[in-house]
Amino acid sequence: RKEVEQDPGPFNVPEGATVAFNCTYSNSASQSFFWYRQDCRKEPKLLMSVYSSGNEDGRFTAQLNRASQYISLLIRDSKLSDSATYLCAVAGGSGGYNKLIFGAGTRLAVHP
Amino acid sequence: DGGITQSPKYLFRKEGQNVTLSCEQNLNHDAMYWYRQDPGQGLRLIYYSQIVNDFQKGDIAEGYSVSREKKESFPLTVTSAQKNPTAFYLCASSIGLAGGPGNEQYFGPGTRLTVT
Repeated sequence: RKEVEQDPGPFNVPEGATVAFNCTYSNSASQSFFWYRQDCRKEPKLLMSVYSSGNEDGRFTAQLNRASQYISLLIRDSKLSDSATYLCAVAGGSGGYNKLIFGAGTRLAVHP
Repeated sequence: DGGITQSPKYLFRKEGQNVTLSCEQNLNHDAMYWYRQDPGQGLRLIYYSQIVNDFQKGDIAEGYSVSREKKESFPLTVTSAQKNPTAFYLCASSIGLAGGPGNEQYFGPGTRLTVT
């Protein structure tokens, strides 16, 4: 089993929809969690950090569920420009506190 | 402008040749990282450095080498011993140890290496 797992998608949603992705992690010692956005053939860009129960930034909300070992990313009022791959990253797992372990990403396609 | 630069953007090499990828940052970050990304896969850590003149192997270090002679620079050499070198290589940096508050990792634009 991979240490960080994501549904690869793609999630195809209309503009204005609300969409949620989950990311599960296997190591209960994991301490910090991150969501990155990656456009096609570009570098990942940090979207949100989660150190306690959750975080919110405009239309984006991240929630951490330590008991079930997953973090979610909720996007409200989806825009065409939200189309991208969303990568989940976890720190403090088997790699140690100073290493991030990435999931393979979830693709989101927002259509008119 | 502050940020992380990687050059070149695209690189083509013949099998059996060593190649060095450049990574420079002017963010005054102590920690720097090299990742590899293959299609449909997550990023995998090759090497990381927490401080000048020190670096540690990541999960897939075989066939790669690095140096950290200056705080701003962390070049990666892909040697001929690397079995499948064709990939998207990403350099990242953080203020200190990744994972802690305020120590988020930020990425450079990447180098696409194709070896034939």
